[in-house]
Amino acid sequence: VELVESGGGSVKPGESLRLSCVASGFKFSDYYMSWIRRAPGKGLEWVSYITSNGDNMYYSDSVKGRFSVSRDNSKNILYLQMNTLRPEDTATYYCARYGGIRWFDPWGQGTLVTVSS
Amino acid sequence: SYVLTQPPSVSVPPGQTARITCGGYNIGSNSVHWYQQKTGQAPVLVVFDDSDRPSGIPERFFGSNSENTATLTISGVEAADEADYFCQVWDSLSDHVVFGGGTTLTVL
Repeated sequence: VELVESGGGSVKPGESLRLSCVASGFKFSDYYMSWIRRAPGKGLEWVSYITSNGDNMYYSDSVKGRFSVSRDNSKNILYLQMNTLRPEDTATYYCARYGGIRWFDPWGQGTLVTVSS
Repeated sequence: SYVLTQPPSVSVPPGQTARITCGGYNIGSNSVHWYQQKTGQAPVLVVFDDSDRPSGIPERFFGSNSENTATLTISGVEAADEADYFCQVWDSLSDHVVFGGGTTLTVL
């Protein structure tokens, strides 16, 4: 089971970025998937999750209306479209399989997003 | 929104027992999960559903949950256990995920 994120980088406030997470080693379409982030010096913060068929998405209050999660079950890829980025969105973003009684396992290695003018 | 409270830090000598708490209103009625994150690495699930361990996690890691406090107990602490530890629940009322603020474990 492996999750590999990509798409991070350095952007200016107000700009957009799309993260990807490629899954392998399990039946991707059977699982909810999620994004979680950790800002420098801070703790883990849940960002979003999407149901297995992609019909329902949920967001934290801090990103609702700016971020959009989606998935392509034919390609085993999870996405996070991040718009109107703010400096406080600076963090390492992790994708994780969201299974069982709602725990995260495994996690990807993370991708760093830096928002700065 | 639901809040989980953890002590910022816990320090124990090697070989002793570390207890990391996670407080929340009636948390005993939730399933609590615990993650270990070492510096520069991705988080790893160490306890799920209050007290179960994923394969490969040593028996030294033990979870419990009752009333308003969940606890991660690490017995025979080793230098390799130094990390940040986070508790997590799913808030069924909001369909949101909640993490505790995290506890840094230092092995003296």
